[in-house]
Amino acid sequence: QKEVEQNSGPLSVPEGAIASLNCTYSDRGSQSFFWYRQYSGKSPELIMFIYSNGDKEDGRFTAQLNKASQYVSLLIRDSQPSDSATYLCAAAGGSQGNLIFGKGTKLSVKP
Amino acid sequence: DAGITQSPRHKVTETGTPVTLRCHQTENHRYMYWYRQDPGHGLRLIHYSYGVKDTDKGEVSDGYSVSRSKTEDFLLTLESATSSQTSVYFCAISASRENYEQYFGPGTRLTVT
Repeated sequence: QKEVEQNSGPLSVPEGAIASLNCTYSDRGSQSFFWYRQYSGKSPELIMFIYSNGDKEDGRFTAQLNKASQYVSLLIRDSQPSDSATYLCAAAGGSQGNLIFGKGTKLSVKP
Repeated sequence: DAGITQSPRHKVTETGTPVTLRCHQTENHRYMYWYRQDPGHGLRLIHYSYGVKDTDKGEVSDGYSVSRSKTEDFLLTLESATSSQTSVYFCAISASRENYEQYFGPGTRLTVT
């Protein structure tokens, strides 16, 4: 059974701090990894994807991938209250590009 | 929502009735997916399509069927709705097999009483 594991949280950080969200995956064959943000009552929104080991930065977001450890993380710098949401980690598995999703980590940024 | 609409957005139905949810995209993407999202389970794949009339089962396909007669439309049918199918249903699209990025529609909240 291919799985993606995330700490459900809630993770609470003060405004302006760095929020660190973590994810592990079981399928060593997974090549692509995604972070989605989901506000309460809304649909998931793709915010980052990473295919190669190392870091990928996009504005205040940095995705990190370590395939040897089967570990993916998302760092949010200068966290804002508007970043408060549930963050879903997903790994691409299967022959048709199906994504395996974690259950999500709820982030709360306190003003 | 990347040119994806879902209808209806909300529906209440009775146990035993058939229900069809529609996903419509204007992106001309080849791949389309149906997920359900439940507390404690996260997003789970029901069925997916990799082209017109080409569909396959996902993780939780029992009690569901799909059809895709046009690139832009992907229909999910609950053949005889049960209370366990009360959920939020999301459609997603993806451009190609090499590009795994999926973009989600706004969702349909279905309640089966």
